[in-house]
Amino acid sequence: EAQVTQNPRYLITVTGKKLTVTCSQNMNHEYMSWYRQDPGLGLRQIYYSMNVEVTDKGDVPEGYKVSRKEKRNFPLILESPSPNQTSLYFCASSLTPPGISGNTIYFGEGSWLTVV
Amino acid sequence: GENVEQHPSTLSVQEGDSAVIKCTYSDSASNYFPWYKQELGKGPQLIIDIRSNVGEKKDQRIAVTLNKTAKHFSLHITETQPEDSAVYFCAASIAGSARQLTFGSGTQLTVLP
Repeated sequence: EAQVTQNPRYLITVTGKKLTVTCSQNMNHEYMSWYRQDPGLGLRQIYYSMNVEVTDKGDVPEGYKVSRKEKRNFPLILESPSPNQTSLYFCASSLTPPGISGNTIYFGEGSWLTVV
Repeated sequence: GENVEQHPSTLSVQEGDSAVIKCTYSDSASNYFPWYKQELGKGPQLIIDIRSNVGEKKDQRIAVTLNKTAKHFSLHITETQPEDSAVYFCAASIAGSARQLTFGSGTQLTVLP
């Protein structure tokens, strides 16, 4: 079954304590990205990756890091979390960039992160 | 960069009625416009998309229309059912762009039985 798996699904943490949200896909997709979803703002892209060792900033990259050492994994790292990073996070993957015929973006089920 | 505005933010309709959600975009280079449905506790799922070389696309009870000149596109759901209740997002991108999608702010659709 095609899947994008995120962990943890729910996390409460304290300001400044480094955390990593893992993302793994089983579809051999080249393109992966992270979004955050906030009320009234929709989904905003944090970082994206075109392939292994190729990453780039999205619209809201401040305070986040990513890495793409393997094709299937794309972890999101918060080095020093702050309360304004409290949000719902989605990892997504696709075989090719959106708009290419037959391509579908698959989203994970989301990770609720609260920073106190 | 691209900016996508979506209206309304909430929409309630009676079962069997139609629902319309509208989006406008700012970047005339955008040429790919998907719509996503997000059910409670799940990630968004693609329900329909349209490219800028067509004006309308239908898939059973769902249709999307695109007006390139006015830079707006709309989702139409006919004969709504309770299972259509969800948050709907429009999005825009340049097909093939690695930056993926710019999303609207979402519409909470509630279908009343």
